[in-house]
Amino acid sequence: ETGVTQTPRHLVMGMTNKKSLKCEQHLGHNAMYWYKQSAKKPLELMFVYNFKEQTENNSVPSRFSPECPNSSHLFLHLHTLQPEDSALYLCASSQDPPYEQYFGPGTRLTVT
Amino acid sequence: QKEVEQNSGPLSVPEGAIASLNCTYSDRGSQSFFWYRQYSGKSPELIMFIYSNGDKEDGRFTAQLNKASQYVSLLIRDSQPSDSATYLCAVKGNTGKLIFGQGTTLQVKP
Repeated sequence: ETGVTQTPRHLVMGMTNKKSLKCEQHLGHNAMYWYKQSAKKPLELMFVYNFKEQTENNSVPSRFSPECPNSSHLFLHLHTLQPEDSALYLCASSQDPPYEQYFGPGTRLTVT
Repeated sequence: QKEVEQNSGPLSVPEGAIASLNCTYSDRGSQSFFWYRQYSGKSPELIMFIYSNGDKEDGRFTAQLNKASQYVSLLIRDSQPSDSATYLCAVKGNTGKLIFGQGTTLQVKP
């Protein structure tokens, strides 16, 4: 595997479900990011991790819970989501300080 | 005022023409500037970055930066239908965060 990978690529979940998104980077970077991309809106930064430590949480609702066990892996745990949370969730990584970021393919999430 | 502003388009150019994509930003302390290309249904792909005033060329792509005017642009020479995509401008400001514009949709017509 090369670059940044994300699983699953597509996810449909009900509002009462709990699911997790996974991201893995194979670039030797030490910073990882979660973004949300909704239709017709700019990319929204959700969380930033540098060297496994969360350094940014952009007022994201607590129904989104990130986890970064090491510099190569990043998770986004989801529970009791709302239909408006349906979006493309993108993971990215970079070398710290935040030089150019490389994105994974994304997870297309639909909340029913 | 948005932190990073782009015209959403669509910008339509004929095949072989030069496409010019523009971006303005509000943070005067911004240091790094990036252009990403995003095909429909795909994730953003980095195509250029620029840190210094002036031009930076890479193949058919040229990034231009004018910090005094808080303006960065991307020129695509000899545009091809495969260049049709949304182009995202991203700016790293003093906070270290990467702020994205909403993107400009480019359509290259054969």
